[in-house]
Amino acid sequence: DQQVKQNSPSLSVQEGRISILNCDYTNSMFDYFLWYKKYPAEGPTFLISISSIKDKNEDGRFTVFLNKSAKHLSLHIVPSQPGDSAVYFCAASASMDSNYQLIWGAGTKLIIKP
Amino acid sequence: ETGVTQTPRHLVMGMTNKKSLKCEQHLGHNAMYWYKQSAKKPLELMFVYNFKEQTENNSVPSRFSPECPNSSHLFLHLHTLQPEDSALYLCASSHVGAGGPADTQYFGPGTRLTVL
Repeated sequence: DQQVKQNSPSLSVQEGRISILNCDYTNSMFDYFLWYKKYPAEGPTFLISISSIKDKNEDGRFTVFLNKSAKHLSLHIVPSQPGDSAVYFCAASASMDSNYQLIWGAGTKLIIKP
Repeated sequence: ETGVTQTPRHLVMGMTNKKSLKCEQHLGHNAMYWYKQSAKKPLELMFVYNFKEQTENNSVPSRFSPECPNSSHLFLHLHTLQPEDSALYLCASSHVGAGGPADTQYFGPGTRLTVL
């Protein structure tokens, strides 16, 4: 059973508008969440993270929101730019996990239309 | 070189071949990881090394054999692979045990492996 789910395989957004990528998790022990961005033929690159003690973290055009009661997080990109077209992965970890494992979602392909 | 490097970037091998993938991190990290990425699937963690000791082996078939000679280098030795092993193999590193956001992993560009 997948502990981290990204239910939208793809998302298409007009350039300049807001992109919202969603992620749900089932394990209440997760206390650290990350978003990664991946271009074809490249490894994932770290984008932004959030600790469970916060409900929002912002970095430039990127904001991650965490709703612990709903076990849901979202990544907002505003305004969306053509270079944002990529696959976005959500990942989660539990500080009690001594192996420091990240549990990954399957990814959402974001397409920014000109 | 900076960050995490992987060689080769592309590899085509027959089922009877033996090959090795190499990963090197230049970030001073103390943990390294091998992942497999197949199309439209979550990244699958294969192996974890913390402080050069293997701490995780997620039921990976024995035809994949990792080696971590030091905290900067990681190898994945391949032998008698199957066509379904064709995938993107990603190496990552992180700094663990510092009490901060230690879980941020930094990835190499991956090796695209094709098994004929």
